Amino acid sequence: LAKTTQPISMDSYEGQEVNITCSHNNIATNDYITWYQQFPSQGPRFIIQGYKTKVTNEVASLFIPADRKSSTLSLPRVSLSDTAVYYCLVGTMNSGYSTLTFGKGTMLLVSP
Amino acid sequence: EAQVTQNPRYLITVTGKKLTVTCSQNMNHEYMSWYRQDPGLGLRQIYYSMNVEVTDKGDVPEGYKVSRKEKRNFPLILESPSPNQTSLYFCASRPSGRGPGVFFGPGTRLTVL
Repeated sequence: LAKTTQPISMDSYEGQEVNITCSHNNIATNDYITWYQQFPSQGPRFIIQGYKTKVTNEVASLFIPADRKSSTLSLPRVSLSDTAVYYCLVGTMNSGYSTLTFGKGTMLLVSP
Repeated sequence: EAQVTQNPRYLITVTGKKLTVTCSQNMNHEYMSWYRQDPGLGLRQIYYSMNVEVTDKGDVPEGYKVSRKEKRNFPLILESPSPNQTSLYFCASRPSGRGPGVFFGPGTRLTVL
């Protein structure tokens, strides 16, 4: 499984756009990139997944450059409730995504 | 409401007393999995199941058992719990062929004395 590297923590203010970058230098051809959000003592919540270029949903955008060695989760106009840990995962389609390896994630703190 | 449910949500027990944590999903998902989360170690997969009667070990299966007799249920069994199994446990599910995005349950906080 491709290893991912993310910043340990990030700080932001309400209303700002937050970009969290994840490095996955050894990503395989069939790997998808997935992001999760986790609040304390709750299960992780799926945010977005993508394979290449850009994906957008009602919550976030995911930017993936052509070489796919990194990805950036973009959260528009964050609020206090976006304070959470964000995990970047790389999953292999060939294994049916049977195993998901969570790293340490990025702790995002949003202040007033 | 589509969801993954776990019971109990909180449990304090003693070493060696067998226990079962139940997991149920109402979304007709083929894939189910169990994770444990510990401070500094993150989320680690214990077991997973790709469908009924098909289970396999994750990264930390020692001390745990699972079964998948029905599609909706995936119980986690601790035959002889030990203090190092004190943790926050999450069950997860997803439909097959839908990529790596999974739905997690609310968690079960287990303390083994």
